Amino acid sequence: GENVEQHPSTLSVQEGDSAVIKCTYSDSASNYFPWYKQELGKRPQLIIDIRSNVGEKKDQRIAVTLNKTAKHFSLHITETQPEDSAVYFCAAPNYGQNFVFGPGTRLSVLP
Amino acid sequence: DTEVTQTPKHLVMGMTNKKSLKCEQHMGHRAMYWYKQKAKKPPELMFVYSYEKLSINESVPSRFSPECPNSSLLNLHLHALQPEDSALYLCASSRGGGSSGANVLTFGAGSRLTVL
Repeated sequence: GENVEQHPSTLSVQEGDSAVIKCTYSDSASNYFPWYKQELGKRPQLIIDIRSNVGEKKDQRIAVTLNKTAKHFSLHITETQPEDSAVYFCAAPNYGQNFVFGPGTRLSVLP
Repeated sequence: DTEVTQTPKHLVMGMTNKKSLKCEQHMGHRAMYWYKQKAKKPPELMFVYSYEKLSINESVPSRFSPECPNSSLLNLHLHALQPEDSALYLCASSRGGGSSGANVLTFGAGSRLTVL
């Protein structure tokens, strides 16, 4: 099945700085990539996604970029705030049937 | 209603008990999922129901038994569980089955299960 890798596993940034999380996938036919944020004790929630027909998508302080040739996509968070502290999961399609999640990145935004 | 509701929030059971987890959505979604999440790990797919039919079983032990009584409800029946089955069990739904952009997953808050 699809193999999704995610780096780094933990990331600490100062409030106001930017954070970047990168994921790679193996199936070149994959065409949709969501990112989920899971705060401690809460459910995973979709924060942004990207389809393979675009290279970048932005929503306020968060953006996702996709490089189909290299089979990687990245989450960018600018002007980080304490409430951005959470675990972030990328996901990729598993041969069109369901989603495979990356192992997660624990982001800590330090005041 | 844009939520997936799971009950109970917390469940403690012994290895000989029989219990059930319940999940409900009223978004008209036709695919429903059970995921298992251990601490500091990503959600791990267990079962997928698409149009009320079991479409994916990720080689889950038979002590977990899913049931989809109708398009809005999903149950997970638990019997003779082991302590290593202790985890957060997440239900999710999507408009249809598959992994296109049309089938974004909406997760419930989860049922935290402890097996003694």
